Amino acid sequence: EAGVAQSPRYKIIEKRQSVAFWCNPISGHATLYWYQQILGQGPKLLIQFQNNGVVDDSQLPKDRFSAERLKGVDSTLKIQPAKLEDSAVYLCASSLGGVAGPSTDTQYFGPGTRLTVL
Amino acid sequence: AQSVTQLDSHVSVSEGTPVLLRCNYSSSYSPSLFWYVQHPNKGLQLLLKYTSAATLVKGINGFEAEFKKSETSFHLTKPSAHMSDAAEYFCVVSERSNYQLIWGAGTKLIIKP
Repeated sequence: EAGVAQSPRYKIIEKRQSVAFWCNPISGHATLYWYQQILGQGPKLLIQFQNNGVVDDSQLPKDRFSAERLKGVDSTLKIQPAKLEDSAVYLCASSLGGVAGPSTDTQYFGPGTRLTVL
Repeated sequence: AQSVTQLDSHVSVSEGTPVLLRCNYSSSYSPSLFWYVQHPNKGLQLLLKYTSAATLVKGINGFEAEFKKSETSFHLTKPSAHMSDAAEYFCVVSERSNYQLIWGAGTKLIIKP
């Protein structure tokens, strides 16, 4: 079974530039998550999709971050314009989204995209 | 509000000796608890999860964790460390009321030959 795919793996940009990350979840997984992981910290949820609808985006800095999941499969996360503090690893995860609820639903993670903002 | 505290930022053990990674949580409701592992330049992988069944949970690669409600702890253990266990380990709590996952800051496990 193929895992969660993410691209690019690494990205270096200058502040105020734009950047986009792509995620392809495991086939059949209804729920997709984007996390930001700053060096030395645990991941922080940015946004959660159930199919193509947003479940939770309360921690997404909406003035500069946007995300979409068209057709309920692939997803893109965009930052525009980037700031120095956006340097982090951006992780995508997916889960089945079963009836037991997200609290018991195992999340499978991609390798992440390491973003460096200069 | 729920929270997770991983009591050690780094743990160093010799190969073949026991591993103990400590995690305490704070939760208003009956939580679900997880341990994830992150090897360098690789994605996060679920080691094990507790969801109100048996309090002693067995995971992959010989790891296990025990849920102790009275101590609000969910420590991760392994009887004998292997070099391949060197990685960062995250304790995660999820409350059934809102399904949010709250992550600890991580513990870096170092294995000495």
